[in-house]
Amino acid sequence: DVKVTQSSRYLVKRTGEKVFLECVQDMDHENMFWYRQDPGLGLRLIYFSYDVKMKEKGDIPEGYSVSREKKERFSLILESASTNQTSMYLCASSWGGGYIQYFGAGTRLSVL
Amino acid sequence: TQLLEQSPQFLSIQEGENLTVYCNSSSVFSSLQWYRQEPGEGPVLLVTVVTGGEVKKLKRLTFQFGDARKDSSLHITAAQPGDTGLYLCAGEDNAGNMLTFGGGTRLMVKP
Repeated sequence: DVKVTQSSRYLVKRTGEKVFLECVQDMDHENMFWYRQDPGLGLRLIYFSYDVKMKEKGDIPEGYSVSREKKERFSLILESASTNQTSMYLCASSWGGGYIQYFGAGTRLSVL
Repeated sequence: TQLLEQSPQFLSIQEGENLTVYCNSSSVFSSLQWYRQEPGEGPVLLVTVVTGGEVKKLKRLTFQFGDARKDSSLHITAAQPGDTGLYLCAGEDNAGNMLTFGGGTRLMVKP
């Protein structure tokens, strides 16, 4: 079974803090994705990566950055957390030519 | 940007009732996927439909892809409390790597 693991299920941070969300997949997938999920808005793509050290902006990249130093790990970074970044964050991965994405359990981030 | 609209956003029904969830777009998708997400978990893929007009059945769930590949529906027969969850449709772009998600339908099936 494909496993996508997100390092934290719940996080509480203060405004202005630097926040790291980590995601690891164990299926040697080329593609990895970060989404945020808000009620009524579905999943919105923040960034994705199709190879190590490669990244592409998604639909809502402002206020976020990413890092992919190893194939299995994709990190989402909030340089200076703000209250409007309170959300559920979901990581996903897929094979290079595949369209089926496998999701982690999510990290619910609260920024106070 | 391709957009997918799901309706209804919320649905609360009694056990045994039937329901249909719709996913509509003005764009054509290479394929369309349906996911179910339970509280505290990530979305899990239920089915992928690829061909215009395709119908797939998964026990009491019937999925249909529109002839023009712009819309899809999910029909649940005799809903059970275990069907409760958030249902998401997602369309695949022509490049094959990106998914556009609908806003989701939150289903509550009461015993």
